[in-house]
Amino acid sequence: DAKTTQPTSMDCAEGRAANLPCNHSTISGNEYVYWYRQIHSQGPQYIIHGLKNNETNEMASLIITEDRKSSTLILPHATLRDTAVYYCIVRVANTGTASKLTFGTGTRLQVTL
Amino acid sequence: DADVTQTPRNRITKTGKRIMLECSQTKGHDRMYWYRQDPGLGLRLIYYSFDVKDINKGEISDGYSVSRQAQAKFSLSLESAIPNQTALYFCATSDPGTSGTHYNEQFFGPGTRLTVL
Repeated sequence: DAKTTQPTSMDCAEGRAANLPCNHSTISGNEYVYWYRQIHSQGPQYIIHGLKNNETNEMASLIITEDRKSSTLILPHATLRDTAVYYCIVRVANTGTASKLTFGTGTRLQVTL
Repeated sequence: DADVTQTPRNRITKTGKRIMLECSQTKGHDRMYWYRQDPGLGLRLIYYSFDVKDINKGEISDGYSVSRQAQAKFSLSLESAIPNQTALYFCATSDPGTSGTHYNEQFFGPGTRLTVL
């Protein structure tokens, strides 16, 4: 699986957009980008995923660069409840061998008033 | 009711004791996982199971064993607990999908905080 690099921490004012970057320069053509978040000591929660097109759902948007070597998770209007650790994970699609995920240390997002 | 439940939520035990952590799910998923998380670190996979007859080691399986009693139940055992197994343990489930595409969306339980003295 491709290795990912994320900033250790970021701050964001409530109501503003939070843009969380992730570098995955060694990503392969069949690898997806997934984002999860973990609110303090709770189980991680799936946010969004994508292959090469930008994606949007009710939680966030995912922007993947054309060369796919980096991506940005966007929380359009951050709230205090979005304070969490955000994990960027790169993983091949289901090959039948495993769908296990490798969580790095993620980005700790602090949303402030 | 929660889709993935873990019991107990908190446990304090002593070195050398046998401990079992239990996970149950109502999502009907075939795949289940056990992770541990240490302070300041990401999650590390201990064991995973694709169905009742399938058990696989993860990256840190030493000192642990698992049992998949049914599709809905996946237990993690520490045969002889040691202090460095003090951690937060998470169970998760996933569904491989029905159309050949799947999203690696895993659903996590609330976690079990285990302290080994």
